[in-house]
Amino acid sequence: GAVVSQHPSWVICKSGTSVKIECRSLDFQATTMFWYRQFPKQSLMLMATSNEGSKATYEQGVEKDKFLINHASLTLSTLTVTSAHPEDSSFYICSARSPGDTSGANVLTFGAGSRLTVL
Amino acid sequence: AQSVTQPDIHITVSEGASLELRCNYSYGATPYLFWYVQSPGQGLQLLLKYFSGDTLVQGIKGFEAEFKRSQSSFNLRKPSVHWSDAAEYFCAVGGPHNTNAGKSTFGDGTTLTVKP
Repeated sequence: GAVVSQHPSWVICKSGTSVKIECRSLDFQATTMFWYRQFPKQSLMLMATSNEGSKATYEQGVEKDKFLINHASLTLSTLTVTSAHPEDSSFYICSARSPGDTSGANVLTFGAGSRLTVL
Repeated sequence: AQSVTQPDIHITVSEGASLELRCNYSYGATPYLFWYVQSPGQGLQLLLKYFSGDTLVQGIKGFEAEFKRSQSSFNLRKPSVHWSDAAEYFCAVGGPHNTNAGKSTFGDGTTLTVKP
């Protein structure tokens, strides 16, 4: 089945540095990917929709200058947390619309997530 | 606006017992409904989905869910729970992918603990 690979799975960085998280669709093309943030014991909060070849669409309240999203190819979207601070520490998850689904809905394949800890 | 409510934050069942996780949704038209499972430190895996047709849908790992329009519910069931089913379960609602509603809305999740 479809696989979405996310890297790194765990990253620790110092406050003020930038961190890049990659989301790759393996063996299928994903023109649209979604980035979520998840706090412990909470649901997924959609941050942005990543569109191949165009600007990402950010949800209300998400700082686009803080969370830079680049979808430069049909299999790769990246999320860069710029000038990270401890409050940015979280679990970040990406997803892509599953290939071959003809339902018309966003049936999603998720990456395994990336745990960011900012010291 | 679409929304999902999972009334039970935490459920504990004994291994071999039956399970039902509740999900209520709000959506203006016929919804696309999903159940996902998340193991600790992992992404979400799709268990099953409903779009139309038979209101009882079968999923992976022996799970099933029933869509009840009159109750705006999409409860997840399993007749006999295994220890490996312990995880976080999320219900989600959405619409057609090419609309704003296509961005699925997730419930807050239900944590399932399985007692030996």
